[in-house]
Amino acid sequence: DAGVIQSPRHEVTEMGQEVTLRCKPISGHNSLFWYRQTMMRGLELLIYFNNNVPIDDSGMPEDRFSAKMPNASFSTLKIQPSEPRDSAVYFCASTSSYSTLTYEQYFGPGTRLTVT
Amino acid sequence: GQQVMQIPQYQHVQEGEDFTTYCNSSTTLSNIQWYKQRPGGHPVFLIQLVKSGEVKKQKRLTFQFGEAKKNSSLHITATQTTDVGTYFCAGRNSGTYKYIFGTGTRLKVLA
Repeated sequence: DAGVIQSPRHEVTEMGQEVTLRCKPISGHNSLFWYRQTMMRGLELLIYFNNNVPIDDSGMPEDRFSAKMPNASFSTLKIQPSEPRDSAVYFCASTSSYSTLTYEQYFGPGTRLTVT
Repeated sequence: GQQVMQIPQYQHVQEGEDFTTYCNSSTTLSNIQWYKQRPGGHPVFLIQLVKSGEVKKQKRLTFQFGEAKKNSSLHITATQTTDVGTYFCAGRNSGTYKYIFGTGTRLKVLA
């Protein structure tokens, strides 16, 4: 298995531009999580989906952030317009709530976003 | 809202010394997980604890879940340079798939 796939791995953009981060979860996993990691705030959960449905988006910072999961194998996190304070590493993680009770999360390699 | 704190924030140890990180939740947890993140890498699952007072071992790593299910610890015996990284606990409340990650403890091991 290729694991969780994220693209791009690095993104540098100017303030005000739209940024789209992509994630392909592990095949068969039905829960998907988007996290943001910064030195100041640590690892924050932004939103999670279960069976492609957003369950909890209370961590989404503001209306500039939106996330979608149109099918079981793809999710996007969009920032529009981007701001310098959005600079962070964004991780996508997936897990299966069916097979075991462990809910072990498998993280992707992350997207390092820099907004100038 | 729910908070999960870890102490210490940083720890430098000489190779061969022991290391412990502590995790405290503001709410009672259904279960707790531990992850390790190497510098420049992504979090990797280590273990899950579910029962009150549970203790699990993985080679030199010992994990404990408190009796009240509000705290946990990770102890590494005789650290090695390969133990370098940030260790996170992540707690889950019942009725949700959502985990709240702790603030993390960054471990440096000096050879």
